[in-house]
Amino acid sequence: DAGVTQSPTHLIKTRGQQVTLRCSPISGHKSVSWYQQVLGQGPQFIFQYYEKEERGRGNFPDRFSARQFPNYSSELNVNALLLGDSALYLCATQGGLTETQYFGPGTRLLVL
Amino acid sequence: AQSVTQLGSHVSVSEGALVLLRCNYSSSVPPYLFWYVQYPNQGLQLLLKYTSAATLVKGINGFEAEFKKSETSFHLTKPSAHMSDAAEYFCAVRPPNFGNEKLTFGTGTRLTIIP
Repeated sequence: DAGVTQSPTHLIKTRGQQVTLRCSPISGHKSVSWYQQVLGQGPQFIFQYYEKEERGRGNFPDRFSARQFPNYSSELNVNALLLGDSALYLCATQGGLTETQYFGPGTRLLVL
Repeated sequence: AQSVTQLGSHVSVSEGALVLLRCNYSSSVPPYLFWYVQYPNQGLQLLLKYTSAATLVKGINGFEAEFKKSETSFHLTKPSAHMSDAAEYFCAVRPPNFGNEKLTFGTGTRLTIIP
């Protein structure tokens, strides 16, 4: 089975622009979570979606938004990009009764 | 609120030596605990997890961890380090209840293996 996939792998944007990151879950996984990992730090929770509904939100500004589609894939949107948004954005999915989140390879965003 | 503290942002061990990476947690309820490994320019890979069953948990690549409630610790060990173990290691905690799968991570420990 394919693992969690994310696109694009790398992205360069300028301040003020908007970006959309995409995540496809492992087949059968209905929960998708997004994390931001700034260089040299641990991942920070941004959002969790389950069955297309937001289940949790981390301490991030309203510039960050997400949604989940009927096929359980997800998008993370960030508006009005700041230099500090430069990071690796990780998607993690979870299915059934398992306690484990499986991570994708991430999208590395650079804001200039 | 839950939190994780990883003591030692950098750990160096000789090839063949014992690996010990420290993790202490804070949680108002018995948590689920995880260790993930991250190789350069990659995502996170699960090494092992504790979910209130056996307190000594064995994972992949010869790693294991012991949940000690009295010490609020979940240290990661491996008897003999291999060059391929060089990576960043993250300890994470989450509540045990279904519907709240938010992971709270520590700041990570970079493991270097000396030939």
